[in-house]
Amino acid sequence: QSVLTQPPSVSAAPGQKVTISCSGSSSNIGNNYVSWYQQLPGTAPKLLIYDNNKRPSGIPDRFSGSKSGTSATLGITGLQTGDEADYYCGTWDGSLSVGTVFGTGTKVTVL
Amino acid sequence: QVQLVQSGAEVKRPGASVKVSCKASGYTFRNYGISWVRQAPGQGLEWMGWISAYKGNTNYPQKLQGRVTMTTDTSTSTAYMELRSLRSDDTAVYYCARARYYDKPHPDDAFDIWGQGTMVTVSS
Repeated sequence: QSVLTQPPSVSAAPGQKVTISCSGSSSNIGNNYVSWYQQLPGTAPKLLIYDNNKRPSGIPDRFSGSKSGTSATLGITGLQTGDEADYYCGTWDGSLSVGTVFGTGTKVTVL
Repeated sequence: QVQLVQSGAEVKRPGASVKVSCKASGYTFRNYGISWVRQAPGQGLEWMGWISAYKGNTNYPQKLQGRVTMTTDTSTSTAYMELRSLRSDDTAVYYCARARYYDKPHPDDAFDIWGQGTMVTVSS
């Protein structure tokens, strides 16, 4: 059972914007950086955002991240059909012997 | 190019052990850590632990302590994950992923390169 809560699904038309929330607590998001991963169907996850809002090289600026308190948000603008995927947030949980935790995952559908 | 290539699919009986390999190329293996993440069918991601490719120190979540062992072979730039006393709920795709920090598990870590995944099926 994940300690980070995400909405199961979000959807929008091509070209539109979606946001995905990731809710945690002071033991995880509240005191650590958040990363975001994209998992296309049948493939391994791919790093989209690290350190709350930084993009690895090659990730378009259509993807953005932010954090406030114990929640984080991933934004995707100019939605494309190739963005249909599962998205996961991740962070460290400082509770005893927990370590890295991931969100419940959000399925993005392009209508 | 920078990549992690994992070993092939495995089928195991309950109670058995499995060892998955993850060979790194295109970067200096000892300058990073390796984390292992698994994903049960239709489920989310679960972190299984971290190992330093530099010193070999490890960090496992309490849930898996005693059942999982992670090792590295710096001569071949390969990381290994062994899971023992397998149960049906260990059936999953197992991924290795490069971690940015090599000296100790870091709260701000992120996983920037992933292996292709290894399907492990536990069935009698």
